Amino acid sequence: NAGVTQTPKFRVLKTGQSMTLLCAQDMNHEYMYWYRQDPGMGLRLIHYSVGEGTTAKGEVPDGYNVSRLKKQNFLLGLESAAPSQTSVYFCASSYTTSVGTGELFFGEGSRLTVL
Amino acid sequence: GNSVTQMEGPVTLSEEAFLTINCTYTATGYPSLFWYVQYPGEGLQLLLKATKADDKGSNKGFEATYRKETTSFHLEKGSVQVSDSAVYFCALTQTGAGKSTFGDGTTLTVKP
Repeated sequence: NAGVTQTPKFRVLKTGQSMTLLCAQDMNHEYMYWYRQDPGMGLRLIHYSVGEGTTAKGEVPDGYNVSRLKKQNFLLGLESAAPSQTSVYFCASSYTTSVGTGELFFGEGSRLTVL
Repeated sequence: GNSVTQMEGPVTLSEEAFLTINCTYTATGYPSLFWYVQYPGEGLQLLLKATKADDKGSNKGFEATYRKETTSFHLEKGSVQVSDSAVYFCALTQTGAGKSTFGDGTTLTVKP
C-alpha cells in the first residue's frame, strides 16, 4: 500500500543551490499536485497536473518548475533555492469522478531548509 | 474565486468534550466538501466528505453536513479523545475543476 511516496523526506540547501523533489503514486490517478505548508498559512498550491505531459500554475508558482513525463511521477524543481522556500512540501494525487475530482491522497511531506 | 474560511485556533478541549470546528465556503455551483486531518509529522488524510447539499459525511465519530443555504460544512464530534489531537483542514473542490481550495487549518489539542 505505497500510495503517494515523496523523496527525499528531509533536505538542507544553501541559497542558490538547486534540487528536485520526486513524487510517485501507484493509484493510476490522473491529477497530481504540489503544495507547500507554512506556519499559519495553511496549504498553498504551487503547481498541478491534470494528466501525463501537462502542468499548470497554482497559487504560488514563482521559483519552482514541474514536470510530469510519466503518469505516476510528478517532479518539483527549485533552480536557485532561496530562504523563502524553506517549507514543508506535500505532493498529492486524486482521481476523476463524474462530477470532478475525488479526495486528495497525500504523501508524508518533504521538509526543506534553505540556509 | 473560491475560498474556505475556518474557525481560528488553536482549540483546546478536555477529553470527552463536544467539538465543533466551523467552516464556511464561497464557491459557484455545487462543490464537493471535505475535512482532512493531519496528525503530527504526517501528511493530510481524508476524514470525511460530502458531495451534494444535505449530505452528511461521517467517520471515526466525526460528522459534518453540507449546508448549501448557509454555505457551511461544520465539523462535530460528540466526545473527543486525546488521540484526536491534530490539525483539521476544511476544503472544497469545484465541480469540473482539478484544484482544491483549503482553509488555513485548525489545531485541536485534547487534554486528558
